[in-house]
Amino acid sequence: DTGVSQNPRHKITKRGQNVTFRCDPISEHNRLYWYRQTLGQGPEFLTYFQNEAQLEKSRLLSDRFSAERPKGSFSTLEIQRTEQGDSAMYLCASSPSEEETQYFGPGTRLLVL
Amino acid sequence: EDQVTQSPEALRLQEGESSSLNCSYTVSGLRGLFWYRQDPGKGPEFLFTLYSAGEEKEKERLKATLTKKESFLHITAPKPEDSATYLCAVFPGQAGTALIFGKGTTLSVSS
Repeated sequence: DTGVSQNPRHKITKRGQNVTFRCDPISEHNRLYWYRQTLGQGPEFLTYFQNEAQLEKSRLLSDRFSAERPKGSFSTLEIQRTEQGDSAMYLCASSPSEEETQYFGPGTRLLVL
Repeated sequence: EDQVTQSPEALRLQEGESSSLNCSYTVSGLRGLFWYRQDPGKGPEFLFTLYSAGEEKEKERLKATLTKKESFLHITAPKPEDSATYLCAVFPGQAGTALIFGKGTTLSVSS
């Protein structure tokens, strides 16, 4: 399977703990996106990378959130000092270029207790 | 402000009962409109991309159309396996922005 993969698929943590998610995009896709989705809502944009450069961050991305994409391959999204409001599905997507279709991974479901 | 509105929020159909889902958008230019299908607990699965008014795309029982203000996803003779949430997303005209999604339409097809 050469689709987008995300790990872990599920994460339960206690408030105040740090968590890190990983996304492996489709090979040779130079654009990688992170979205957050809560129940009954569509995905909301968080940030995106072109190769290793982080080009845009949403105002939804507080300073507790940080994302990296070293060497332009996989990406990590870290949430520090988690809050209950961070509970959501975190989705990763990749595309070959800006205007082409974004292909999504299965998501990481985060529950903060 | 760029906005995407989908209607209805939920739709219940009998197997074989055709219908349409609506996606209306207000964006500063449009560089693309995308339809995705999402099953519970999974990531969105790509269905169609439309780039210009008048364009149509088909796949099995689904057909997507695009006008200057809205898009329709027509479902012909649906089956229970078509039950899912259908998401519409637009790529605004301003460069350097990401997809803007609607809240989705949850379709339930009963046999």
